[in-house]
Amino acid sequence: DAGITQSPRHKVTETGTPVTLRCHQTENHRYMYWYRQDPGHGLRLIHYSYGVKDTDKGEVSDGYSVSRSKTEDFLLTLESATSSQTSVYFCAIMTRDKADTQYFGPGTRLTVL
Amino acid sequence: AQSVTQLDSHVSVSEGTPVLLRCNYSSSYSPSLFWYVQHPNKGLQLLLKYTSAATLVKGINGFEAEFKKSETSFHLTKPSAHMSDAAEYFCVVSDRNFNKFYFGSGTKLNVKP
Repeated sequence: DAGITQSPRHKVTETGTPVTLRCHQTENHRYMYWYRQDPGHGLRLIHYSYGVKDTDKGEVSDGYSVSRSKTEDFLLTLESATSSQTSVYFCAIMTRDKADTQYFGPGTRLTVL
Repeated sequence: AQSVTQLDSHVSVSEGTPVLLRCNYSSSYSPSLFWYVQHPNKGLQLLLKYTSAATLVKGINGFEAEFKKSETSFHLTKPSAHMSDAAEYFCVVSDRNFNKFYFGSGTKLNVKP
């Protein structure tokens, strides 16, 4: 499972509140990703990181920010949660030595009321 | 821009019969292509990947896929379905730098006894 954990695993929050999701890896992989999964849409990339303090946007980045101050942690923040951000969020790492295979965390189910 | 289209949202087969899950891609370069599987309430697992080597790619659990550039397809097949194959399957294409990945909307495979 490439040592990926996500916290929290479940969260219910209210519209307008800030939310931070954490992804932690134990194997010092350079690339980390945040996706959201919604029915009928597959997984869509929110943001990704290619090193400490190096991040870039994905296809659905509006309303989300990320930070990576340590190799092992990649944080996803919803500054002011909206109901449209209710989703399952997956973190992933990419192992360059395995030619761009991604390994996914267990997911975080977020409900915004 | 690159994208993938999974042509069937649901596929139902009987146990022991062949499986065909269809994927077409759009890309302006020679992409890497992947198939991932997600069992109910689980994370995602790599089935197989194509990275410009052999066009017929073998994966785990008896699955294989063939890259056909002329048809821009990367269909997933298995000769004989097993009950444990019931899951959702995602076709994925990389960008040219293998930094970003674009998922199809998924195909849910149902296996009948």
